Amino acid sequence: DTGVSQNPRHKITKRGQNVTFRCDPISEHNRLYWYRQTLGQGPEFLTYFQNEAQLEKSRLLSDRFSAERPKGSFSTLEIQRTEQGDSAMYLCASSRELRTATYEQYFGPGTRLTVT
Amino acid sequence: DQQVKQNSPSLSVQEGRISILNCDYTNSMFDYFLWYKKYPAEGPTFLISISSIKDKNEDGRFTVFLNKSAKHLSLHIVPSQPGDSAVYFCAASATGGGNKLTFGTGTQLKVEL
Repeated sequence: DTGVSQNPRHKITKRGQNVTFRCDPISEHNRLYWYRQTLGQGPEFLTYFQNEAQLEKSRLLSDRFSAERPKGSFSTLEIQRTEQGDSAMYLCASSRELRTATYEQYFGPGTRLTVT
Repeated sequence: DQQVKQNSPSLSVQEGRISILNCDYTNSMFDYFLWYKKYPAEGPTFLISISSIKDKNEDGRFTVFLNKSAKHLSLHIVPSQPGDSAVYFCAASATGGGNKLTFGTGTQLKVEL
């Protein structure tokens, strides 16, 4: 059984650069979520996909952020023109939507972004 | 606007005793609640959940209680073990909201020998 994986685990970049993160969900899960966590806070919702469709974006997701999930499998989160305020842990989670309404989301290990 | 609140940033208990972690919420649309455990440098790990149609759910050493009228839930860990030392997050979701989770700020639990 492979859980949710994220790459890279750590990313250090200079302000103004673009970065891209990848998430591979649990294979039978049709929903994929992105969250961001800063120090001392809980994870905050950014966006989610059902299969390949992006169904909701948080107002936290500025126009510098874009996420994709081609073919409903892995997902990428890109941040353009990074700012120091983008420094955070970016978490990916997946879940399986069932008629019985199971809501548990399973998280990956996260990508730690540091913008210098 | 913090819709899910964990007012205790930290809790220390002795091994073998009960740990009680508390969580309050303000959004009456929330109908599903979850607890996650998080170790440093790892993602949150799902522990236990409860639907709003129930007031208690138990899984081994972990029990979650829900008081809808008070908009309060708690996680009981009995007996506490040193390996339980971690940050615990309460999270909530609303049907029709894409099941996106709203998290509290976490409680750092330390189980001492």
